[in-house]
Amino acid sequence: KAGVTQTPRYLIKTRGQQVTLSCSPISGHRSVSWYQQTPGQGLQFLFEYFSETQRNKGNFPGRFSGRQFSNSRSEMNVSTLELGDSALYLCASSSKYLTGTGTYGYTFGSGTRLTVV
Amino acid sequence: QKEVEQDPGPLSVPEGAIVSLNCTYSNSAFQYFMWYRQYSRKGPELLMYTYSSGNKEDGRFTAQVDKSSKYISLFIRDSQPSDSATYLCAMSSYGKLTFGQGTILTVHP
Repeated sequence: KAGVTQTPRYLIKTRGQQVTLSCSPISGHRSVSWYQQTPGQGLQFLFEYFSETQRNKGNFPGRFSGRQFSNSRSEMNVSTLELGDSALYLCASSSKYLTGTGTYGYTFGSGTRLTVV
Repeated sequence: QKEVEQDPGPLSVPEGAIVSLNCTYSNSAFQYFMWYRQYSRKGPELLMYTYSSGNKEDGRFTAQVDKSSKYISLFIRDSQPSDSATYLCAMSSYGKLTFGQGTILTVHP
């Protein structure tokens, strides 16, 4: 069973550019969440998509956006890149949303390492 | 003040030691409590989850939750060099995970 696939693995961009990151969830998983991981702030929640709709959003500026397609694949976009956006961006998928019914099964990908210069 | 506080360590122990990792939290809305393990250049991997106060055991790992004190722990018995990783506590409220800073653990032979 394939895991969560994130592409590309590494990316170098210049300040002011924009970037799009891709995430393919585990087959059958309909929930996709995005997280930013930095040494200073740790892992921070960006947003969650379920059935192509954004269900939850963290405290990030509007430069960070995302979308989910009908096949559950998701993309995350960051516009007008800043040096502080350098981070590991992680995607996690789950078969459930608002898991009040049991197993909290988030599976993370290996991430995209974004460096802004 | 962060919603979830975790001592970043680093923590270095000899093989076979018992390891104790801890987190405190301030948000009473948290419903699920998890521990993730993250190896270098990998994403976090779910180790254990629980949603009630008490202990939950899985092999060498025991997760403990005390909701009245807003305190969770992870114990690792008979630690192995392969346990060397960053351990992250995480708590959820309506689908959103809030992570601790992570504790870097090294188990030396």
